[in-house]
Amino acid sequence: ETGVTQSPTHLIKTRGQQVTLRCSSQSGHNTVSWYQQALGQGPQFIFQYYREEENGRGNFPPRFSGLQFPNYSSELNVNALELDDSALYLCASSLAPGGNTGELFFGEGSRLTVL
Amino acid sequence: GENVEQHPSTLSVQEGDSAVIKCTYSDSASNYFPWYKQELGKGPQLIIDIRSNVGEKKDQRIAVTLNKTAKHFSLHITETQPEDSAVYFCAASKNNAGNMLTFGGGTRLMVKP
Repeated sequence: ETGVTQSPTHLIKTRGQQVTLRCSSQSGHNTVSWYQQALGQGPQFIFQYYREEENGRGNFPPRFSGLQFPNYSSELNVNALELDDSALYLCASSLAPGGNTGELFFGEGSRLTVL
Repeated sequence: GENVEQHPSTLSVQEGDSAVIKCTYSDSASNYFPWYKQELGKGPQLIIDIRSNVGEKKDQRIAVTLNKTAKHFSLHITETQPEDSAVYFCAASKNNAGNMLTFGGGTRLMVKP
């Protein structure tokens, strides 16, 4: 059984650029959530995807968008990067989208630095 | 929205001692409270969770207690070991919010051998 994998592990961008982060969910998991973790802080919920549709969103602007593919893998896209977007981006997969029916399995994250 | 406060931010204990981390939440509708451990360079990993219909749950050296009236919950680690050193996060969510967890700010636990 493979766990959650994310790519790239590290990347550096400049302000105003766009970035795409990728996530492969754990085998058998159909739901993917994305979290942003600033240095020294707890993760913050960005959004969740189930059956290729967004079905929950945190307090993040529209320039944060995502996709889920038929194989349940997912992408996080951030446009018009700002310095404050520098953070560790965590992907988590689970068996179901709601009702707290199961634990979240996190990947090791993609560390984004915006200069 | 939900707000989760976590204390202390750092905690240093001697190997074999107990460690207690406390969290408070603001939304009385929250009913699921997981605890995650994050080691350096890794993603958070669930170590224990509790639902609002239970007051206490134990798993070997780890226990969690929940006081719904006061809206606080705590993590207790007994007989700490150096490998317990990590950052611990509490979180809260409610049934209709999917997997939207609201995390506390984290506690860096250091267990000195």
